[in-house]
Amino acid sequence: EADIYQTPRYLVIGTGKKITLECSQTMGHDKMYWYQQDPGMELHLIHYSYGVNSTEKGDLSSESTVSRIRTEHFPLTLESARPSHTSQYLCASSRGTGIYEQYFGPGTRLTVT
Amino acid sequence: KNQVEQSPQSLIILEGKNCTLQCNYTVSPFSNLRWYKQDTGRGPVSLTIMTFSENTKSNGRYTATLDADTKQSSLHITASQLSDSASYICVVSANTDKLIFGTGTRLQVFP
Repeated sequence: EADIYQTPRYLVIGTGKKITLECSQTMGHDKMYWYQQDPGMELHLIHYSYGVNSTEKGDLSSESTVSRIRTEHFPLTLESARPSHTSQYLCASSRGTGIYEQYFGPGTRLTVT
Repeated sequence: KNQVEQSPQSLIILEGKNCTLQCNYTVSPFSNLRWYKQDTGRGPVSLTIMTFSENTKSNGRYTATLDADTKQSSLHITASQLSDSASYICVVSANTDKLIFGTGTRLQVFP
């Protein structure tokens, strides 16, 4: 099992609320990623970071924001949740680019009512 | 457009039987191809990673093949077990850090 953790695992929240999804890893990886996955669909990259104070947007446009103040921590924030944000959010990390493996957390299933 | 297509979309087999899952990709330039296993409600777990020069790689009962000329890969599962029930995702990396994911094959193994 990879040492990458996500909390909460499940979250049901009302429209307009601010939420933060937590992701942390204890492997000392510089590179971290956030993916969004709808049921039965492929993963889409929404944010990534190559190290502290580095954040980039991924291929799928997202209203969420991320921060990377510490190597081990990569939280994702939604300022005002909407039903369209309902999805599974997966965090991953890797030691490097290219052939290096990406290790995934267990995911957070978000439902916005 | 970079794409990864998998077939079949879903598959049901009996415990102990073998099966083969297919992956076709149009990603260019090609760096590596990965197979992941994703249990329901969990994150994907890596099974194999293959580069251009590798045409087969095994991980226990899982054997992946790669034909870089035809841009095809397969994942063969031998002597299936109930715990093999999961989605199997083919992922292709171009010469960047970005991964392109297929939609997966959902495998169900029944006793």
